[in-house]
Amino acid sequence: EAEVAQSPRYKITEKSQAVAFWCDPISGHATLYWYRQILGQGPELLVQFQDESVVDDSQLPKDRFSAERLKGVDSTLKIQPAELGDSAMYLCASSLLGLAGYQETQYFGPGTRLLVL
Amino acid sequence: AQRVTQPEKLLSVFKGAPVELKCNYSYSGSPELFWYVQYSRQRLQLLLRHISRESIKGFTADLNKGETSFHLKKPFAQEEDSAMYYCALSGSKYGNKLVFGAGTILRVKS
Repeated sequence: EAEVAQSPRYKITEKSQAVAFWCDPISGHATLYWYRQILGQGPELLVQFQDESVVDDSQLPKDRFSAERLKGVDSTLKIQPAELGDSAMYLCASSLLGLAGYQETQYFGPGTRLLVL
Repeated sequence: AQRVTQPEKLLSVFKGAPVELKCNYSYSGSPELFWYVQYSRQRLQLLLRHISRESIKGFTADLNKGETSFHLKKPFAQEEDSAMYYCALSGSKYGNKLVFGAGTILRVKS
């Protein structure tokens, strides 16, 4: 069964360093999502792609976070510089392209747990 | 704004007892509501969505627009139901993005 892949699974870094996370969605899924999940909270959407285009990045802290999906397949989320408050689980999800107004089922990856020291 | 509230961080029940995980939402319009579940050492996955009106693993959830609630219910809890449960909503006013609640841990004791 196809699954969303993410790497690395764990990342420890010092503040002010740069970090990058990678996500490979399920083949054929046009929509890709990056979420941040702070301990004790639910996932919060950071950025949504449809193919290679950003659909929603309203909650992405653009001064330090960037995301790309150059060929409309896999994606990279980068933080530069990392801050203590960025410690969280970063989840990637993908879904088929839904009809207007319909939320297709999102399939989640295992996540990358980031610890900033 | 759209918001999902799950008032209980932890719900502990005995095996065979009924379960009700509470979810309340704030959204002006017609949202779509979901329950996602994360079992130990597994990925977050969709359990059910209100438009499907189906029972999954014995769980059901009814959308109550008057009370703005979408509680998850199961008549007889099983130990394998122990997991973290997240309620989520999406609505066309906010680009259909999913907004999650903080989650409720369900612990089923033998």
